[in-house]
Amino acid sequence: NAGVTQTPKFRILKIGQSMTLQCTQDMNHNYMYWYRQDPGMGLKLIYYSVGAGITDKGEVPNGYNVSRSTTEDFPLRLELAAPSQTSVYFCASRSDGWARGEQYFGPGTRLTVT
Amino acid sequence: TQLLEQSPQFLSIQEGENLTVYCNSSSVFSSLQWYRQEPGEGPVLLVTVVTGGEVKKLKRLTFQFGDARKDSSLHITAAQTGDTGLYLCAGATGGGNKLTFGTGTQLKVEL
Repeated sequence: NAGVTQTPKFRILKIGQSMTLQCTQDMNHNYMYWYRQDPGMGLKLIYYSVGAGITDKGEVPNGYNVSRSTTEDFPLRLELAAPSQTSVYFCASRSDGWARGEQYFGPGTRLTVT
Repeated sequence: TQLLEQSPQFLSIQEGENLTVYCNSSSVFSSLQWYRQEPGEGPVLLVTVVTGGEVKKLKRLTFQFGDARKDSSLHITAAQTGDTGLYLCAGATGGGNKLTFGTGTQLKVEL
């Protein structure tokens, strides 16, 4: 049981380039999330999904897109990278059941846009 | 927009000292979690508190949820170097579909 896995671990992009951050979970969780974390700070929600085919915006969705075609995968797409998107990106999932909101996090992708 | 403010933002102490971290909001949460994050890793859940006034203990860590479910505290007794990390509180609302994370407290415990 690998939990939540993310690829790549590190990436450097030039301004205007595009990329997809991959996230996969093997816990059969319906709920999945993408966050960004700036140095020494808390996490800000970018997008989330409550099940395959259903996604919704979080607090900071501008400049990002997501899709959820399967329960396991929740990729995050950056279309035109900007320096403001330099951050560490975390994917998380949580189980159904009583809504305590406890989430399980991946190890993160560190992205630098120059 | 719901905000969770943590204080202090940074804390550097000696091993064996006690400390308290605070998490405050003007919003009511259905539950509140505390996470610890180590460098280069994702946050890991420490505890969830649900009932106003609830106190939970995890070895040397004591967590309390405010009576009005708007605030929480984390108290560490006799801190150890292994307690070093970023501590994050996170509040859940409604059905718990989303968490609002606090601003974080960076704790460093030195010998």
